Amino acid sequence: DQQVKQNSPSLSVQEGRISILNCDYTNSMFDYFLWYKKYPAEGPTFLISISSIKDKNEDGRFTVFLNKSAKHLSLHIVPSQPGDSAVYFCAARGDRGSTLGRLYFGRGTQLTVWP
Amino acid sequence: EAQVTQNPRYLITVTGKKLTVTCSQNMNHEYMSWYRQDPGLGLRQIYYSMNVEVTDKGDVPEGYKVSRKEKRNFPLILESPSPNQTSLYFCASSLSGQSNTEAFFGQGTRLTVV
Repeated sequence: DQQVKQNSPSLSVQEGRISILNCDYTNSMFDYFLWYKKYPAEGPTFLISISSIKDKNEDGRFTVFLNKSAKHLSLHIVPSQPGDSAVYFCAARGDRGSTLGRLYFGRGTQLTVWP
Repeated sequence: EAQVTQNPRYLITVTGKKLTVTCSQNMNHEYMSWYRQDPGLGLRQIYYSMNVEVTDKGDVPEGYKVSRKEKRNFPLILESPSPNQTSLYFCASSLSGQSNTEAFFGQGTRLTVV
């Protein structure tokens, strides 16, 4: 049962425009949400995170928004650059019950930024 | 340099031949875990370890074993590999198992079982 869902397997955006990657989750015990970026032949690298007590976290061109009532988060990249082309994974962790010690991933979204 | 190191990076083996994929981290992290990545399925957790001698099953533990005899190492053992274990494997570590710690990943091991 997929507890973290990324329903768009791919997204194509023109350079300079905004990329919006979406993620939904089902487990209300998740306390922390993370986005990872993965290039081919490399391991995932941490990009940005947000605690469940916040609704926004910003780091340069990257902003993550969390809507707890809708169990939805999104990653905004502004402006998008060709070097942002990669697979983006949404992930969630918790400190309680079955989520303790676990890191749950979505299936990923392939972002392509074209010139 | 802080890193998670997996070996080997690529491996082709035959069904039933025991193999071990090693994972080592130099960040004194308590928490380590193994994932497999398959097309369309994302990253699925195989096993994780909250600390030395403490391991637990993830989502897809069947056919795998792990051990955590020392803090820095967390090997993944396939006692009798089968073709459905052909996959891309990632080891990861984080400071602790608490939710507000990010995980650092190794570069991956591409395993093919024929």
